[in-house]
Amino acid sequence: SQQGEEDPQALSIQEGENATMNCSYKTSINNLQWYRQNSGRGLVHLILIRSNEREKHSGRLRVTLDTSKKSSSLLITASRAADTASYFCATDASGGSNYKLTFGKGTLLTVNP
Amino acid sequence: GAVVSQHPSRVICKSGTSVKIECRSLDFQATTMFWYRQFPKQSLMLMATSNEGSKATYEQGVEKDKFLINHASLTLSTLTVTSAHPEDSSFYICSAIPLGGNNSPLHFGNGTRLTVT
Repeated sequence: SQQGEEDPQALSIQEGENATMNCSYKTSINNLQWYRQNSGRGLVHLILIRSNEREKHSGRLRVTLDTSKKSSSLLITASRAADTASYFCATDASGGSNYKLTFGKGTLLTVNP
Repeated sequence: GAVVSQHPSRVICKSGTSVKIECRSLDFQATTMFWYRQFPKQSLMLMATSNEGSKATYEQGVEKDKFLINHASLTLSTLTVTSAHPEDSSFYICSAIPLGGNNSPLHFGNGTRLTVT
């Protein structure tokens, strides 16, 4: 089963509004990462938050991690039409040298101009 | 930096033929590359982990004889879909991590849209 599950599955907002996407997972993790995917393209890494971190910022992005609830959120502030994309969380629960990320189903964000 | 090039971006082939997809790390060396498959509006499904100089590790349910992976150098991994069928039509994406970069972000190629007619 999927390790990461995002909600909502789809989100439509107006330019300038904030967008919040959530991710839940099931097992203990080393870190959690958020990626963005434009339609028909590869994924672009946004932020990595380690299991001992609670919050991280990068520009207009803010990620929180609650390991007790096994959940994370991605907040995009002052959204722009160019933020329209699918957003995936990915969890790293691997051990040793066996690195493996498991991706959630994603949230499709549409920012209307 | 950390650019991954995937080629071709689109390919249409006839049922029964084989298709090779290349994944290159352009400005870094990658001992490990990953191959994913993505259905429309779905998540990425890890197919296999490709390690330079050794056999790939396939995920459960992925046929290793159908999806041949070769990681001949620190900058190139290839995925060959053998005897392709229409159900193999999908979006295939590769990713790579730099040497010693376990627990680091992945760098993705732009994917290959495979259509089998």
